[in-house]
Formats: sequence, C-alpha cells, structure tokens
Amino acid sequence: SAVISQKPSRDICQRGTSLTIQCQVDSQVTMMFWYRQQPGQSLTLIATANQGSEATYESGFVIDKFPISRPNLTFSTLTVSNMSPEDSSIYLCSVGTRETQYFGPGTRLLVL
Amino acid sequence: EDQVTQSPEALRLQEGESSSLNCSYTVSGLRGLFWYRQDPGKGPEFLFTLYSAGEEKEKERLKATLTKKESFLHITAPKPEDSATYLCAVQALGFGNEKLTFGTGTRLTIIP
Repeated sequence: SAVISQKPSRDICQRGTSLTIQCQVDSQVTMMFWYRQQPGQSLTLIATANQGSEATYESGFVIDKFPISRPNLTFSTLTVSNMSPEDSSIYLCSVGTRETQYFGPGTRLLVL
Repeated sequence: EDQVTQSPEALRLQEGESSSLNCSYTVSGLRGLFWYRQDPGKGPEFLFTLYSAGEEKEKERLKATLTKKESFLHITAPKPEDSATYLCAVQALGFGNEKLTFGTGTRLTIIP
C-alpha cells in the first residue's frame, strides 16, 4: 500500500483566510482524490486531482472555493479559500486504483 | 443517487462477544463495496473490497459478506483493539468513475 503524508496535520484559521493542504505519496499514482469529513457525517468526495489537467469537482464543490493543483504523480494540494466556520472539517487525501483506495492521515481544520 | 446506510450507529460489546455490522446500499450498478476501519484522529484504513453477491473476505477476526442489497461485517471474538469506527462505501459502475460514496459508520467499542 502507498504511504501518504499530509501537511499540516491540523490548523486553526480565521474566517476569510485561505489554507493550502499538501498531500505527498511515496510512489507514483494515477488517481488522487480529496475528501471532506465533517463532524458526525460521512466522507464526501470534493474532487479528483488530475495530473496535467484541471481537477474534476463533485456536485456542490467549485474550483473557486477549493482550488486543486497536481503538478506530478506524487503530489497534490487543496486550498480552502475564503474560509468560514462551516469549513471546519477533516480534509483527507486518497490515492489508489479502482479496486483499492488508501487514505492519508487527514488535516483537521478549525475556522473561527 | 447512490446511498449507503450503516447500522447500528454505535455498538458496545464485551470482549469475546461476536456480532455483525450492517451496510445497506442503493446504487445504479455496483462495481465494488469497500470496508474501512477508522481510529480516532486517523485516516480510514482499507480492509476489504467485495465485488459480487455471495462473495466473502476475511482478515483476522473480521469477515465481510455481500448480497445484492447489503453487506455485513462480522466480528468474531473481538478484542479491545478492534474498537474503532467501521465505514462502508460503494463504488458505482461507469467509465472513469472511481468515486466512493460512504456511510456514516458504526462506532464499535469492545469492553475488556
């Protein structure tokens, strides 16, 4: 299985600011995803990070709010822009194949 | 729209007391059903992928089964270290679709 790291592991931010979360994988992967896990709720896919092209966003998520970069096959970033308290959540990076998806440790974000 | 419902929301068992967790799903066409374990403060840990009704997979004290409408995660003679939240997710058929739709999980506590 892939070893996935995320930075930062947690952060406390003020409303109106932006935070960029990094995801690093120890091997080249084709598929990379970003999920959100809100308190007491299930994981929800934000977008698929495509290498060399724009990310594919799920319904309810837009590029202006959650811009994503994927410069190579081992790295991606997710930015949470113009944050509000409703953005307080755990953000998770995931990689894998169609048969198996592995998750990073998550970034715990609190917006005040 | 794909939906996943897990029950019960929480389950407390004595050490050695076997039980089952349920995952009911509706999906346009099932490619795979995934089970994950999530410990507090960590990302989900992949356990199993099941593809067709009647399929079973085992790992230590865990056995996952699949029917056309639901999946069960059977826990045999659990130990305190099995305490975690167990997540179920489905992946629908479709070209280029790797999205996982998650349930809200079952929080399992094993009492020594």
